[in-house]
Amino acid sequence: SAVISQKPSRDICQRGTSLTIQCQVDSQVTMMFWYRQQPGQSLTLIATANQGSEATYESGFVIDKFPISRPNLTFSTLTVSNMSPEDSSIYLCSVEDSGHRYNEQFFGPGTRLTVL
Amino acid sequence: DAKTTQPNSMESNEEEPVHLPCNHSTISGTDYIHWYRQLPSQGPEYVIHGLTSNVNNRMASLAIAEDRKSSTLILHRATLRDAAVYYCILRDLGGNKLVFGAGTILRVKS
Repeated sequence: SAVISQKPSRDICQRGTSLTIQCQVDSQVTMMFWYRQQPGQSLTLIATANQGSEATYESGFVIDKFPISRPNLTFSTLTVSNMSPEDSSIYLCSVEDSGHRYNEQFFGPGTRLTVL
Repeated sequence: DAKTTQPNSMESNEEEPVHLPCNHSTISGTDYIHWYRQLPSQGPEYVIHGLTSNVNNRMASLAIAEDRKSSTLILHRATLRDAAVYYCILRDLGGNKLVFGAGTILRVKS
């Protein structure tokens, strides 16, 4: 299994500012994903981040609002830009190693963001 | 992505078996059935997955209907720690995306 940590675990931010969330994995993985979970809702995939290439965004999510970096096989960041109260959510990263026989995804604990 | 339908919530008594149903009538031949669960204030965790045959692991069993249009996650002896939201997800062979539906909230009574 993969152990994933996220920083910060929670934050309260003012509208109009940006926050960068870090995701660190204890092993090298091929694929990393970023999800959003709005209050009381299920998870929605924001984008897939592969090392060495541009992130692939899902419908409704754009790079200008959610820029992603993936500098190596153990680390990724998601920035929530020009925040508004509607961005208040839990942001989770997950990883998958295509070499893992079950192809299961492992999730981080999440970053709880509140925008005032 | 093929859609799944699950009951909004279910309740179980501790130490009793729990059967969590999932309908996926539009499943394709290459879709695997995955189950994840999300404990309170945590990220989701993998439970089990299967294609056609029933599957068992130390966490649960997965029973898949012969026509594959439905499946059931079986927790053999529910504990309080099993209280979570359970997600049934169809995932194409070779696909990487997990598309989460609303899931089933499982409540376990002591």
